[in-house]
Amino acid sequence: DAGVIQSPRHEVTEMGQEVTLRCKPISGHNSLFWYRQTMMRGLELLIYFNNNVPIDDSGMPEDRFSAKMPNASFSTLKIQPSEPRDSAVYFCASSLGRGNQPQHFGDGTRLSIL
Amino acid sequence: GESVGLHLPTLSVQEGDNSIINCAYSNSASDYFIWYKQESGKGPQFIIDIRSNMDKRQGQRVTVLLNKTVKHLSLQIAATQPGDSAVYFCAESGYSTLTFGKGTMLLVSP
Repeated sequence: DAGVIQSPRHEVTEMGQEVTLRCKPISGHNSLFWYRQTMMRGLELLIYFNNNVPIDDSGMPEDRFSAKMPNASFSTLKIQPSEPRDSAVYFCASSLGRGNQPQHFGDGTRLSIL
Repeated sequence: GESVGLHLPTLSVQEGDNSIINCAYSNSASDYFIWYKQESGKGPQFIIDIRSNMDKRQGQRVTVLLNKTVKHLSLQIAATQPGDSAVYFCAESGYSTLTFGKGTMLLVSP
């Protein structure tokens, strides 16, 4: 079975550039989550969607970050303009249903902003 | 053991030993708990979950224990193998979002 698919796996870019991270959730899952992982702060929830609708974006660090889910099989996380402090591993996860269910993670995008 | 929000501890065991990884959670209203395993370069992988109406749940070689009185969660791994080496995270939830601890690194030597 296909799991959560993220692309690209690695991204290196210069500060000020726009970065777009992509995620394909598990088919049939209707909740999607974006996380950021750093050594200092661990795993932090940025935003989550239910049935393609953003439910909670309180974890989005600032206006430079935006996320969309145009359909049930695709989501993007965009950073514009990017800054060196945005360097982290970004994970997408999906789950079945909105209540307490296991979230299944992709293998992440390692982002480095120079 | 680990506590949500603190540094990353390390547990070193010999192959074949049983491992116990501990987690103290903070929110007494949490009613769903989950353990993840994360290997280097990969995303967190679901291991086992437990709801607050239970105090023990078993999987294949793993057991999760929940003590709501002291807000403590543990993961027991039987007959630990080198492939179990990874960072293990506990997470808690009140409804739909998970709050993760910082993790415990498990090192298994042959």
